[in-house]
Amino acid sequence: NAGVTQTPKFRILKIGQSMTLQCAQDMNHNYMYWYRQDPGMGLKLIYYSVGAGITDKGEVPNGYNVSRSTTEDFPLRLELAAPSQTSVYFCASSYTTGGNDEKLFFGSGTQLSVL
Amino acid sequence: GENVEQHPSTLSVQEGDSAVIKCTYSDSASNYFPWYKQELGKGPQLIIDIRSNVGEKKDQRIAVTLNKTAKHFSLHITETQPEDSAVYFCAASKGRAGGSYIPTFGRGTSLIVHP
Repeated sequence: NAGVTQTPKFRILKIGQSMTLQCAQDMNHNYMYWYRQDPGMGLKLIYYSVGAGITDKGEVPNGYNVSRSTTEDFPLRLELAAPSQTSVYFCASSYTTGGNDEKLFFGSGTQLSVL
Repeated sequence: GENVEQHPSTLSVQEGDSAVIKCTYSDSASNYFPWYKQELGKGPQLIIDIRSNVGEKKDQRIAVTLNKTAKHFSLHITETQPEDSAVYFCAASKGRAGGSYIPTFGRGTSLIVHP
């Protein structure tokens, strides 16, 4: 298994541009998450999904959109990039069924700079 | 919502010393407390976790303790080695009983182990 795969690893955007961060997992996990990591601020939840076709906002959703058309993929869309969206973005997944299985598996991250 | 405080933000130790990282949480319904290690340029990875029905858990050189009454939990690393240098995150979630598996993360602790 490849686990959680994120692309691209690095990207520079100009203010106002749009882009999609890709995330795919091959573990048949039902839950998927997008976090952003800013220096000294920990991991902030942007959006999450509990299964295909279901998404919900996290703590910092403004400026982002997501979709979950399949179990495997959970892309994150930035429509009008702003400097405040400069950050490292992590996608994660978990197989959460109501038992003791809440462990998150993270991708290796996408470093995004908006200039 | 849940609030997780983590201290210290930076911890510098000599190789062979012990390191302790402390977290407090605000929601008494939280019952699952994982710790993640993030090495440079990588995504976080679970290293140990504890549930609210257990007071302490050990795995070789790492251990986690939980005080439900005081709502705090700690990560203990003994006989530190240079490869322990990383950022460590604590988290808390409520699980099925609390109606949410979504973890709330602390801000992270940068552990530096000097050879």
